[in-house]
Amino acid sequence: EVHLVESGGGLVQPGGSLRLSCAASGFTFSNYGMSWVRQAPGKGLEWVSIIGSSGVPTYYADSVKGRFTISRDNSKNTLYLQMNSLRVEDTAVYYCAKKYTGSYHFDYWGQGTLVTVSS
Amino acid sequence: QSVLTQPPSVSGAPGQRVTISCTGSSANIGAGHDVHWYQQLPGTAPKLLIYGNSNRPSGVPDRFSGSKSGTSASLAISGLQAEDEADYYCQSYDNSLSGYVFGTGTKVTVL
Repeated sequence: EVHLVESGGGLVQPGGSLRLSCAASGFTFSNYGMSWVRQAPGKGLEWVSIIGSSGVPTYYADSVKGRFTISRDNSKNTLYLQMNSLRVEDTAVYYCAKKYTGSYHFDYWGQGTLVTVSS
Repeated sequence: QSVLTQPPSVSGAPGQRVTISCTGSSANIGAGHDVHWYQQLPGTAPKLLIYGNSNRPSGVPDRFSGSKSGTSASLAISGLQAEDEADYYCQSYDNSLSGYVFGTGTKVTVL
């Protein structure tokens, strides 16, 4: 059974940094692209970033480009999101999601981790 | 800002059929990209409901169906049940943004 477990969320001040992790199990992690999707409180879903199965390529939403970095460690079955220069509008639940090969959709999602950016 | 537009809410009595529209553009749905649908129950993570416009993952009841035409897509729920109360999101890929896009979301209420 596929399991994705996010961690690393918390309260951070504007301009600060945070690194999220997503531990994967139940599938061959190194064979699949992985993505981060976020949801601000009471709002809809917003795609953040995606990474290929081997670590390349990587793509970002314009709203986070230049501030966030997605990466992965296939030896640890773990996906990461390094978030720098955080803004109040980055406050959201961040979900990691497994990409379905050959299609532009996500077939499994984690439970999410909350990031709050506030002074 | 979402580039796929959905109605904010739809409602229906138990047993009825409701539909949710998802309107895009020539940069996404109209460009031939598939539409996928997710169900988000209150307080939980999204779950894949429909992929590739009309395909159901294993375990999704056949009460849920999807279709696509031109620059739009639709999700239909027939035989509406109380457990279907949730938020529903469409999703596709956008050539102009070079990224994945979600719909604005639709809250389904069972009367």
